[in-house]
Amino acid sequence: RKEVEQDPGPFNVPEGATVAFNCTYSNSASQSFFWYRQDCRKEPKLLMSVYSSGNEDGRFTAQLNRASQYISLLIRDSKLSDSATYLCVVNPGGITGNQFYFGTGTSLTVIP
Amino acid sequence: NAGVTQTPKFRVLKTGQSMTLLCAQDMNHEYMYWYRQDPGMGLRLIHYSVGEGTTAKGEVPDGYNVSRLKKQNFLLGLESAAPSQTSVYFCASSYSRAEAFFGQGTRLTVV
Repeated sequence: RKEVEQDPGPFNVPEGATVAFNCTYSNSASQSFFWYRQDCRKEPKLLMSVYSSGNEDGRFTAQLNRASQYISLLIRDSKLSDSATYLCVVNPGGITGNQFYFGTGTSLTVIP
Repeated sequence: NAGVTQTPKFRVLKTGQSMTLLCAQDMNHEYMYWYRQDPGMGLRLIHYSVGEGTTAKGEVPDGYNVSRLKKQNFLLGLESAAPSQTSVYFCASSYSRAEAFFGQGTRLTVV
């Protein structure tokens, strides 16, 4: 079983739409969770960390459900500039040496 | 503010040739990582290091070796390149379980 699983999409949405991405992880002891954004032919960059209580950064909301081992990212009022691949990332911490496990990514295209 | 720097950015190798990819970070991070990214596979961990002088195998270590002689540098070596090693290679560093910072990537083609 993969450490992190994501729906690869693609998601094609009109400007102004709300879109949600989901991700599941296999290690129930995982301690840190993130959403990264990767533009075409570029390196991944942190979009936001995901906290147990949920967190919001402008149009972006991330939520964590530890019981279901599920992470979500909600993007409201989509902009053309949101077009990218969104990567779900989990770090189990502890004796694993702080490895970061990546989902395969979900592709988003925002259409004018 | 350099962050994580990878060299080279592009390389074409012939099958059987060797090369070393260099990763340098200026953030004093303890942890460093080498990933490869292939279409449909996501980022897969090759090797990682939890501190100067230490290395460990990740998910796909075969055909690669690494060294971390200095805290700021993490080298990835390919002793005898194979076409299956054609990929985009990313180096990253982090402080504990916090955010991982990535280099710009190395696009390697093995013919």
